[in-house]
Amino acid sequence: DAKTTQPPSMDCAEGRAANLPCNHSTISGNEYVYWYRQIHSQGPQYIIHGLKNNETNEMASLIITEDRKSSTLILPHATLRDTAVYYCIVRDNTDKLIFGTGTRLQVFP
Amino acid sequence: GAVVSQHPSWVICKSGTSVKIECRSLDFQATTMFWYRQFPKQSLMLMATSNEGSKATYEQGVEKDKFLINHASLTLSTLTVTSAHPEDSSFYICSAAAASGSYNEQFFGPGTRLTVL
Repeated sequence: DAKTTQPPSMDCAEGRAANLPCNHSTISGNEYVYWYRQIHSQGPQYIIHGLKNNETNEMASLIITEDRKSSTLILPHATLRDTAVYYCIVRDNTDKLIFGTGTRLQVFP
Repeated sequence: GAVVSQHPSWVICKSGTSVKIECRSLDFQATTMFWYRQFPKQSLMLMATSNEGSKATYEQGVEKDKFLINHASLTLSTLTVTSAHPEDSSFYICSAAAASGSYNEQFFGPGTRLTVL
């Protein structure tokens, strides 16, 4: 079973920041938080991952709370092409990715 | 990033026939590949983990005799849906990881849409 809970859907205006929350209250010390997104009828795309420090790359920023029980993915300037389902996944050392239901982000003009 | 391809991208077959789907890592060697299935408006469901040169490990509830997985080389894994039925119609997605247990990101293929008539 997925170890994360996410809101089923969110809207965001184009050009604004999209903040996608994720709860993972049962995360253990050696588990990473991964984010993927899936645009309609395509394979998932890796976005970012982190253990306990905040992370940033060219796509997004990942903010992990100090207790690691939740995190937020931030798309700083959302575009229409960012419309997708975003999956927050807690990954253990088996390499398995167990997908939850994700958040469907709709970016509107 | 690394590229994973799948072939075919879509396939339509008659009930009772078998269908083979290929997953290739194009620019890296994948010791581990994963196969997922996704029904419309649902999330990805992990079917099995495939390690090069060994038998695949299937998730609970996935029939290993129906979904045959072969990972004969470090760049190729195949999924064969045997005696396909309409309920097997789905979007099949593979992913590849460069090394097991190293927290490397998995790279996903574009998926194969199977329709069984």
